[in-house]
Amino acid sequence: AQSVAQPEDQVNVAEGNPLTVKCTYSVSGNPYLFWYVQYPNRGLQFLLKYITGDNLVKGSYGFEAEFNKSQTSFHLKKPSALVSDSALYFCAFPNRKLIWGLGTSLAVNP
Amino acid sequence: DTGVSQDPRHKITKRGQNVTFRCDPISEHNRLYWYRQTLGQGPEFLTYFQNEAQLEKSRLLSDRFSAERPKGSFSTLEIQRTEQGDSAMYLCASSLSRKWTSGRAGETQYFGPGTRLLVL
Repeated sequence: AQSVAQPEDQVNVAEGNPLTVKCTYSVSGNPYLFWYVQYPNRGLQFLLKYITGDNLVKGSYGFEAEFNKSQTSFHLKKPSALVSDSALYFCAFPNRKLIWGLGTSLAVNP
Repeated sequence: DTGVSQDPRHKITKRGQNVTFRCDPISEHNRLYWYRQTLGQGPEFLTYFQNEAQLEKSRLLSDRFSAERPKGSFSTLEIQRTEQGDSAMYLCASSLSRKWTSGRAGETQYFGPGTRLLVL
């Protein structure tokens, strides 16, 4: 079955350090992949997506993600984490509806 | 604000009562989706519409759940005879599909703030 996986339930990083939130996929063909962020008690906000073209995708709030076909990964990255980046992050791919990973809780410590 | 809106934002009801939620998508978007999310979990797909046509329903959508999008604009999700297990955040999203697709599509779904339902 096609799916995405987020192997880490929680990621902790110090403010100012680089952060990575991992996502791997099992999707046939050329996948479209998305990252969304959810702040406490709020809806989901679109961060970025990979459709085709450059493997490095830049998105909102200084986030970027690298599509790696050989490793079937689409990890979310940011060079310097902010406390305000603390939230729940979801990787997803579309198959009419969105198929979601289980989410990774990011905690950025001051 | 031209984003997706949902009403109400919060709903508390007693078990056995009926509730109805409304979603207003971004105006030019032809696709509308409903998801359910419980605390700490990812969203679960419920159903989606292309214009006024309901194209897919999840097995999660029991007979007590019904969704409509009568004029291809706003949508309502009704839950009849609510149960405590229905307590969750109900999320609506919309997207613009530029062609009729039967498979994957890369259009972005934009989400509303959600309606949090608590069934006592």
